[in-house]
Amino acid sequence: DVKVTQSSRYLVKRTGEKVFLECVQDMDHENMFWYRQDPGLGLRLIYFSYDVKMKEKGDIPEGYSVSREKKERFSLILESASTNQTSMYLCASRLQGMETQYFGPGTRLLVL
Amino acid sequence: GENVEQHPSTLSVQEGDSAVIKCTYSDSASNYFPWYKQELGKRPQLIIDIRSNVGEKKDQRIAVTLNKTAKHFSLHITETQPEDSAVYFCAASNLRGNKLVFGAGTILRVKS
Repeated sequence: DVKVTQSSRYLVKRTGEKVFLECVQDMDHENMFWYRQDPGLGLRLIYFSYDVKMKEKGDIPEGYSVSREKKERFSLILESASTNQTSMYLCASRLQGMETQYFGPGTRLLVL
Repeated sequence: GENVEQHPSTLSVQEGDSAVIKCTYSDSASNYFPWYKQELGKRPQLIIDIRSNVGEKKDQRIAVTLNKTAKHFSLHITETQPEDSAVYFCAASNLRGNKLVFGAGTILRVKS
């Protein structure tokens, strides 16, 4: 059974802080994704990674960066958190060549 | 790029009735269309998907239909039950399958 975990379920940060969101998957998946989920907007892709040390911008990368130093771990970084980054952040992983993405439980981030 | 529109945004049905959620997409190159269900406080989970070489797919009480000419696809849930209450997301991806573009989501409430 695929397991995708995220480091925190809830996080409260102040504007200007650097924020790290961690995602770990245990199924040796090559592809990993970061989305944010907002009411009425669905899930929007921030960044994705095909494999270790590889990354590509998604649809809304501004204000975010990512790191993929190990295959199982994909980190999302908010360099200087702003209130408009208050959201639910979802990580997903997928085996290369397959279509199904498996999601983590999400991190609800509040930026004050 | 791809744009996916989903309707309705909310849907209330009586237990036992059918529910239909519709999505349209813009990129004729899209060839994979999954549906995800997200129960309250939980992660999105794939419930059914369809590829562009198939017009309809069924799995017990749920079915998905695809009209490539019109660029729309629909989720059908028959004999709805209270446990079907959730947010449903449609999505579409292109030939490379690298990026899923999601609809805004439909909140389905099944009243018992």
